[in-house]
Amino acid sequence: GDSVTQMEGPVTLSEEAFLTINCTYTATGYPSLFWYVQYPGEGLQLLLKATKADDKGSNKGFEATYRKETTSFHLEKGSVQVSDSAVYFCALSGPQGGSEKLVFGKGTKLTVNP
Amino acid sequence: NAGVTQTPKFQVLKTGQSMTLQCAQDMNHEYMSWYRQDPGMGLRLIHYSVGAGITDQGEVPNGYNVSRSTTEDFPLRLLSAAPSQTSVYFCASGTGKTYEQYFGPGTRLTVT
Repeated sequence: GDSVTQMEGPVTLSEEAFLTINCTYTATGYPSLFWYVQYPGEGLQLLLKATKADDKGSNKGFEATYRKETTSFHLEKGSVQVSDSAVYFCALSGPQGGSEKLVFGKGTKLTVNP
Repeated sequence: NAGVTQTPKFQVLKTGQSMTLQCAQDMNHEYMSWYRQDPGMGLRLIHYSVGAGITDQGEVPNGYNVSRSTTEDFPLRLLSAAPSQTSVYFCASGTGKTYEQYFGPGTRLTVT
């Protein structure tokens, strides 16, 4: 079945460092890909998405590019802030791109120190 | 818009008790889902619905029931609580037009 593998955490960085969180997927058809963020004690918020190959999703300085040839959707940010400390989840949509169910990676906890 | 709301925020049950976790959305989304979040496991899909009167099982459905009588509401019922159901439960809604799902704030359930 469909699956998502993302780099294990936790990840600890200093403020203004470069961030990469790797995400690869296995899926039938052509799924949509997502990054969600969960701040402490809260639910998940959509950070960015890409719905077809070579699309780049971006939001709040974060970017990820849908790479069909490497089945990857790595999250990057050029300069992290303390406020970016959270758990980040990579996810894909269901078969045939339907959004009625998502498959999640296990999450990567990011801590940014001042 | 309130978005996706869940009640209660916290709940403690004894083994064998039953309860219903409530979920409502006011965005007229056709899709609604329940996930559980456990440490190191990410989120796993319990049940989902693609419209009123239509539900289906996800990855971990055992011990849970759902029904969807209206577009707005999607309650999750625990039939006989077990310690393995200790988790944080998230409800989400979405639409096929935009692909993403919107999550509620979660219910933290402890079964002793």
